[in-house]
Amino acid sequence: QQQVKQSPQSLIVQKGGISIINCAYENTAFDYFPWYQQFPGKGPALLIAIRPDVSEKKEGRFTISFNKSAKQFSLHIMDSQPGDSATYFCAATATGTASKLTFGTGTRLQVTL
Amino acid sequence: GAVVSQHPSWVICKSGTSVKIECRSLDFQATTMFWYRQFPKQSLMLMATSNEGSKATYEQGVEKDKFLINHASLTLSTLTVTSAHPEDSSFYICSAIDGGQGEKLFFGSGTQLSVL
Repeated sequence: QQQVKQSPQSLIVQKGGISIINCAYENTAFDYFPWYQQFPGKGPALLIAIRPDVSEKKEGRFTISFNKSAKQFSLHIMDSQPGDSATYFCAATATGTASKLTFGTGTRLQVTL
Repeated sequence: GAVVSQHPSWVICKSGTSVKIECRSLDFQATTMFWYRQFPKQSLMLMATSNEGSKATYEQGVEKDKFLINHASLTLSTLTVTSAHPEDSSFYICSAIDGGQGEKLFFGSGTQLSVL
């Protein structure tokens, strides 16, 4: 029940295209869903996060869509750029658990020219 | 965003020696820090939760005598890999909660440990 399933495992998108990464969870206690971006040899960096009281959150080219009934959330990267090439992790936690995040398995995104 | 500094970035050591990794919150106080381990092309695995002034809480399967955690101040947590062996080679990452930003978790830049 603690799992967060992430897909696809890898993704190749042309420059200017839309990158879409999906995550699904089972634990209904989860109420905070961040996305992290990680470059090789670096720690993850918080990209954007959402709580279940909204269905969508947008920050620049990054948008999270959240479907509470389906227990799914996704990251959309608009106008993908080569600099976006990285590994993306979705995560989830329940407030009050000291941010004990459960991470997805990661998606390696490659944006080609 | 909040800054978490981790040092060293990489370390190579001989089998049987101990290695200490430091994690500092530079611009905020962190009562709770987390230590993760990451194998190549895999997700982050939580090893332990470090609480300032108290004993760390280890996840199931993580040897507390192998991975010693000390959180002596609100800005510093250390992870010591004792009697390191080649199977301990991994990427270790710390993180800290910035209470001033709710539940947001910020990560250090990681430490690549290679045990020969």
